Amino acid sequence: GNSVTQMEGPVTLSEEAFLTINCTYTATGYPSLFWYVQYPGEGLQLLLKATKADDKGSNKGFEATYRKETTSFHLEKGSVQVSDSAVYFCALSDRSGGGADGLTFGKGTHLIIQP
Amino acid sequence: ETGVTQTPRHLVMGMTNKKSLKCEQHLGHNAMYWYKQSAKKPLELMFVYSLEERVENNSVPSRFSPECPNSSHLFLHLHTLQPEDSALYLCASSVETRALGYGYTFGSGTRLTVV
Repeated sequence: GNSVTQMEGPVTLSEEAFLTINCTYTATGYPSLFWYVQYPGEGLQLLLKATKADDKGSNKGFEATYRKETTSFHLEKGSVQVSDSAVYFCALSDRSGGGADGLTFGKGTHLIIQP
Repeated sequence: ETGVTQTPRHLVMGMTNKKSLKCEQHLGHNAMYWYKQSAKKPLELMFVYSLEERVENNSVPSRFSPECPNSSHLFLHLHTLQPEDSALYLCASSVETRALGYGYTFGSGTRLTVV
């Protein structure tokens, strides 16, 4: 079946540091990949996505590249801010099995940015 | 405002109570979902509705009963819950279940506490 693995954290960084949150996946077909962000007390918001190999999704300074050869979709940001503190979820959508599956999520990575 | 509205935001209920969670979207989406988010666990897909028809039920206990009267509204009826059912319940919608490249729009969730 499908699965997503990501570092759980918490990941604690200083403001303006470089961020990488690793995400690897297992899928039976050719999935679309997503990063979602959840700020305290809120639901999940779509941060970025990629639908085919070598696509790069980007938004708000965050980037992730769909790497089929390594089955990875690592999230990066060059200079983080305190306002980036949140939980980040990697997810995939794969319909090759033919079922009406929802997104498959990783466990989430709690990111804490200190001033 | 995310486009998906969930009420109530917080709910405390006894194990013998009956209550309902409500989700509403006016994005023109045809698919709606219920997810359960518990601490230290991945997001769990509970139910999927496509055009008001339930297309997936992930072995959820019968004390959770979904209802989708139209494509804009989704309910989760709760009765005789257990303390381990305490969690954040998230509703989401998407263009359709088969639209791989589209993300989901999530509501802010209902924080449920069973006492």
